[in-house]
Amino acid sequence: DQQVKQNSPSLSVQEGRISILNCDYTNSMFDYFLWYKKYPAEGPTFLISISSIKDKNEDGRFTVFLNKSAKHLSLHIVPSQPGDSAVYFCAAIGQGGSEKLVFGKGTKLTVNP
Amino acid sequence: KAGVTQTPRYLIKTRGQQVTLSCSPISGHRSVSWYQQTPGQGLQFLFEYFSETQRNKGNFPGRFSGRQFSNSRSEMNVSTLELGDSALYLCASSSMTKSIGELFFGEGSRLTVL
Repeated sequence: DQQVKQNSPSLSVQEGRISILNCDYTNSMFDYFLWYKKYPAEGPTFLISISSIKDKNEDGRFTVFLNKSAKHLSLHIVPSQPGDSAVYFCAAIGQGGSEKLVFGKGTKLTVNP
Repeated sequence: KAGVTQTPRYLIKTRGQQVTLSCSPISGHRSVSWYQQTPGQGLQFLFEYFSETQRNKGNFPGRFSGRQFSNSRSEMNVSTLELGDSALYLCASSSMTKSIGELFFGEGSRLTVL
């Protein structure tokens, strides 16, 4: 039973355009949502997060939107750059102070020059 | 500040053997968690340790175990290896004072079981 789903295994966009990565979740008890980026042969790195009490969080070119009623979040990258090419993981965390993250399977983003 | 260090980076084992993986967290980080990454399943939580105590455990069989030492270094052990245990094992540490869920991952230990 996958609680965090990334239904698009891959996405290809042109440099300078917007990249939109989507994520759906099923557990309404999730309290916090995060995006991680992973380059080949490296560990994932934290990108941006959002609390369940917010609907938007912005950090430079990266914006995460949360729609709690739809149990859906998305990551927008504007403008996309070739260096953004990586696998992006959506993750969720429940309450309780634990660092147990539930990850989606990832979306491979390719930004073409 | 040194990052999370995992050893060994690569290893090959045969079915039935056991393996121990090591993780040194970022200095000052007391929480260490382990994840298994496979192409089909993505990243799956194994367990989390804080101050030498296991705080949370994922849905893995008892062949998977771990521990944390007083210096926050952690090890995980997989006994009676199966082909399906072939994966990238990622260790992550966190300071608990940073953003919730912000983990710092190592580069991983890639295990191949033949």
